[in-house]
Amino acid sequence: ETGVTQTPRHLVMGMTNKKSLKCEQHLGHNAMYWYKQSAKKPLELMFVYSLEERVENNSVPSRFSPECPNSSHLFLHLHTLQPEDSALYLCASSQGTGPQETQYFGPGTRLLVL
Amino acid sequence: RKEVEQDPGPFNVPEGATVAFNCTYSNSASQSFFWYRQDCRKEPKLLMSVYSSGNEDGRFTAQLNRASQYISLLIRDSKLSDSATYLCVVNLGGTYKYIFGTGTRLKVLA
Repeated sequence: ETGVTQTPRHLVMGMTNKKSLKCEQHLGHNAMYWYKQSAKKPLELMFVYSLEERVENNSVPSRFSPECPNSSHLFLHLHTLQPEDSALYLCASSQGTGPQETQYFGPGTRLLVL
Repeated sequence: RKEVEQDPGPFNVPEGATVAFNCTYSNSASQSFFWYRQDCRKEPKLLMSVYSSGNEDGRFTAQLNRASQYISLLIRDSKLSDSATYLCVVNLGGTYKYIFGTGTRLKVLA
């Protein structure tokens, strides 16, 4: 399935590096999300964009910086990360937020911070 | 109290068995509910939405109990391929805030 794609799939970076995660959705959806999934913890919502405007930011550290240039693309810029930021970063999209809207997830980027 | 709680399991069941999971939620204003399935090292995928009247999709049945604030997932005639983690997801409705449970791990044994 190629509804939501993410690159890279794996990333190893040092604490002083700067990198970016990319997400692209081919579903014509209006909303896009970044989630963090750490071992034995539930998915944590990081950012939400609707029609390219940020509508939710769950107190995420400033070392994570999202960018949504258009409704199909979403980036997560990373800089000076900490080892505890190692996790699976999942992008998702949804058409809207009606009562039965569902989210479609990309395959994720598995990030390791050394 | 966590917003969405699930028994992490694992639930180990033989092929052909019936297994049920519950998920409790704390916010009585929650309006929409979902079960997602996540295979090891893969992304979550929608299994089914949960409607007030309950719904069934083949071997899978989902129920909502608003009075007790829980949803359930019943799997009949378990297959080896049902082995996965099942995530409960709750949305307040009209918002982008989807609250995920930690998931219940199911292992179906041959």
